Amino acid sequence: KQEVTQIPAALSVPEGENLVLNCSFTDSAIYNLQWFRQDPGKGLTSLLLIQSSQREQTSGRLNASLDKSSGRSTLYIAASQPGDSATYLCAVRSGGSNYKLTFGKGTLLTVNP
Amino acid sequence: DAGVIQSPRHEVTEMGQEVTLRCKPISGHDYLFWYRQTMMRGLELLIYFNNNVPIDDSGMPEDRFSAKMPNASFSTLKIQPSEPRDSAVYFCASSLGSADTQYFGPGTRLTVL
Repeated sequence: KQEVTQIPAALSVPEGENLVLNCSFTDSAIYNLQWFRQDPGKGLTSLLLIQSSQREQTSGRLNASLDKSSGRSTLYIAASQPGDSATYLCAVRSGGSNYKLTFGKGTLLTVNP
Repeated sequence: DAGVIQSPRHEVTEMGQEVTLRCKPISGHDYLFWYRQTMMRGLELLIYFNNNVPIDDSGMPEDRFSAKMPNASFSTLKIQPSEPRDSAVYFCASSLGSADTQYFGPGTRLTVL
């Protein structure tokens, strides 16, 4: 059974700092991995999707990497801003016949002005 | 497109009552997913549909939970009878393909007293 862990559970940084959020998964036979952002009281917004054959994806100040063999992914946020404050969730899609997404519990990020 | 639409946004009910949550997926999306989010267990997949047909309902916790998708633009998740432990945020999501990016609705916050 796939398990996804995100460390740390919470992170507080000053504005402008570069930061890294970590995600690990137990079963390396994944199809792809997705990073989401969740704002309080809102749904999830997809940030980046990395296919299993890819090593990284970039969107603006965000860069996500994937090391399938070691079961790890990182989300790098450059020059953090207060508007980046949210919960970041990592989700792994396993292969096979049903392509289920298994989510980590998230990292609550606070960027202080 | 307006995105995934869920109603109601908030629901407060008493134990034993029937609760019906509603979802309208993004037009053209063939897959619809129902998730439940709690502090203790995080985000869990309950059931998903492909072309209105339930594919995997192994995440549905008990027979008290049922889901239907009578057409491509509407789905319901019903809990009957409801219990306090069902209190959670319920999300609906849709996607074009099984392994494509999922787009989430804003969620329904359910409180069972």
